Amino acid sequence: EIVLTQSPDTLSLSPGERATLSCRASQTISSNFLAWYQQKPGQAPRLLIYGASTRATGVPDRFSGSGSGTDFTLTVSRLEPEDFAVYYCQQYDTSPVTFGQGTRVEIK
Amino acid sequence: EVQLVQSGGGVVRPGGSLRLSCTVSGFTFDDYGMSWVRQAPGKGLEWVAGIYWDGGTTGYADSVKGRFTISRDNGKNSVYLQMNNLRAEDTAFYYCTRVWSVRFDNWFDPWGQGTLVTVSS
Repeated sequence: EIVLTQSPDTLSLSPGERATLSCRASQTISSNFLAWYQQKPGQAPRLLIYGASTRATGVPDRFSGSGSGTDFTLTVSRLEPEDFAVYYCQQYDTSPVTFGQGTRVEIK
Repeated sequence: EVQLVQSGGGVVRPGGSLRLSCTVSGFTFDDYGMSWVRQAPGKGLEWVAGIYWDGGTTGYADSVKGRFTISRDNGKNSVYLQMNNLRAEDTAFYYCTRVWSVRFDNWFDPWGQGTLVTVSS
């Protein structure tokens, strides 16, 4: 199965700053079959990005995804207070689908 | 509005069984595959099981294969997860989720509210 490794584990930033989250795959993910989710405490995950770079419906344009092959990035251009959460990447290229371990974005 | 409403869950002893249900509304249920994803308290996400739009094909994580069974009733807009021979390591929040495909291996959106399963003696 494809192992996804996210870095860093925790990102400490202030509102208004730029957040850059990394997701590295143990093998090439074809056709950019990678998604990103946001999860806040006590809530279910929420889809942000699919196809590596396509924003889901209703997701603000400060969220963007990029990358290909084995290296993918989620960028939040200017952090809003509601963006402090845990973010997961997920690959759906190869069964079983797998998730990264998550990156926590916390208020500095 | 698309909704996934889960029921079931609770506390069960090791070796026991439990059945989770997820009833959906707001979309054509049999146009989509469905999956269950779990999250141990304070931990990350783990795909558990998935089922094709017609119920004809299912898939399981190795950690639950042979113990869990996913099924669906398209007439009732519902998907189920039968969990047998439960272990302490199955303790987690379980989420049902719509798969953006007729299969079960794609991205997930939306997710149910989650239900906690606790396996403890």
